[in-house]
Amino acid sequence: GIQVEQSPPDLILQEGANSTLRCNFSDSVNNLQWFHQNPWGQLINLFYIPSGTKQNGRLSATTVATERYSLLYISSSQTTDSGVYFCADLKALNRDDKIIFGKGTRLHILP
Amino acid sequence: DAGITQSPRHKVTETGTPVTLRCHQTENHRYMYWYRQDPGHGLRLIHYSYGVKDTDKGEVSDGYSVSRSKTEDFLLTLESATSSQTSVYFCATSVDSRTEAFFGQGTRLTVV
Repeated sequence: GIQVEQSPPDLILQEGANSTLRCNFSDSVNNLQWFHQNPWGQLINLFYIPSGTKQNGRLSATTVATERYSLLYISSSQTTDSGVYFCADLKALNRDDKIIFGKGTRLHILP
Repeated sequence: DAGITQSPRHKVTETGTPVTLRCHQTENHRYMYWYRQDPGHGLRLIHYSYGVKDTDKGEVSDGYSVSRSKTEDFLLTLESATSSQTSVYFCATSVDSRTEAFFGQGTRLTVV
């Protein structure tokens, strides 16, 4: 089946640092999303980014669909950025395809 | 965010009892999904719906059934709960299968 690999699995940074999270797919990327799961368990939409680059404040994301990867950049990290970051690709749903989630990158920002 | 409400938010139930979780949306999204989240497994699709009375299985559907009698409601039923179904359950919705998905706040289910 389709594989999604997220790296690094864990990341500990000091407040103010920058970070890059990566998502690699074994097959074509169709409708990529980035989510942040905060320490209370809520899944928050960050970006819907099938291709190209988007920015929202201190966060930005780039998807290179032809090379089957996406990057999430976090600049000037804050403690509220802590949590788990997931990428997911939403494919057309039939018996063979499904929404594919990576296993996440756990980010811990130290004050 | 899409208006997605899951109920209950927390539930403890005994092995062998039936349990129904409800997902209610106010965005008129056609697609609705049920996921479970477990340590080491991430988010896995249980069932999804692509319209009223139209549902299909995901990758971990055994032991679960769903129903969608109205656009706004998607019910997940555990016919006879087992300890392996202890998990956090998330509902999600999207306009169609190729657009952005939005998630509810989750239901923490404990089967004892």
